[in-house]
Amino acid sequence: QQPVQSPQAVILREGEDAVINCSSSKALYSVHWYRQKHGEAPVFLMILLKGGEQKGHDKISASFNEKKQQSSLYLTASQLSYSGTYFCGTEIAGGTSYGKLTFGQGTILTVHP
Amino acid sequence: DTAVSQTPKYLVTQMGNDKSIKCEQNLGHDTMYWYKQDSKKFLKIMFSYNNKELIINETVPNRFSPKSPDKAHLNLHINSLELGDSAVYFCASSSPGRVRELFFGEGSRLTVL
Repeated sequence: QQPVQSPQAVILREGEDAVINCSSSKALYSVHWYRQKHGEAPVFLMILLKGGEQKGHDKISASFNEKKQQSSLYLTASQLSYSGTYFCGTEIAGGTSYGKLTFGQGTILTVHP
Repeated sequence: DTAVSQTPKYLVTQMGNDKSIKCEQNLGHDTMYWYKQDSKKFLKIMFSYNNKELIINETVPNRFSPKSPDKAHLNLHINSLELGDSAVYFCASSSPGRVRELFFGEGSRLTVL
């Protein structure tokens, strides 16, 4: 089942902060975050695993509420380079499909000077 | 060196034709995927192979046939192309273990006329 992202779109000025949320109706093993710029491939930003393990970039932070099956991506002091579409991808806990990621519909982030 | 490379990057073809997309990864990963991204940017998993074994096969028409000759290569053949097959097809790979971040290829844009 596809996770739900909110908001659908965000417009910021450089230096402003943003939060993108991802919610699932299923118990999750992991949540991934990717950024895709126009005409390019999605690029890995962060992964959060059940139990607290994380891996990602130093300048990007995220949280994972295992009880609520929700994750949030925090973008602080935004730069022009942050513009793009952000996708969360979820992997269901106890699933039989190894590494199967189901992606949300995406959040379009636009940063203006 | 490109980590995950796909060829061709662009395909334009007529309905009813057959086409193939090739993918190669030099990251030493065990698992490879095909994702389809439609015009609304929805990113959906199609297939996954782990060490040449098919492990994920989503509800995809049987006109789509993946093949993995070895763990570094994953190809996608599409028979009898339809208008609805027009999309960007992304190949991806991931390493084994708990933290399975995806590395995407640049994508292959298929246009069916």
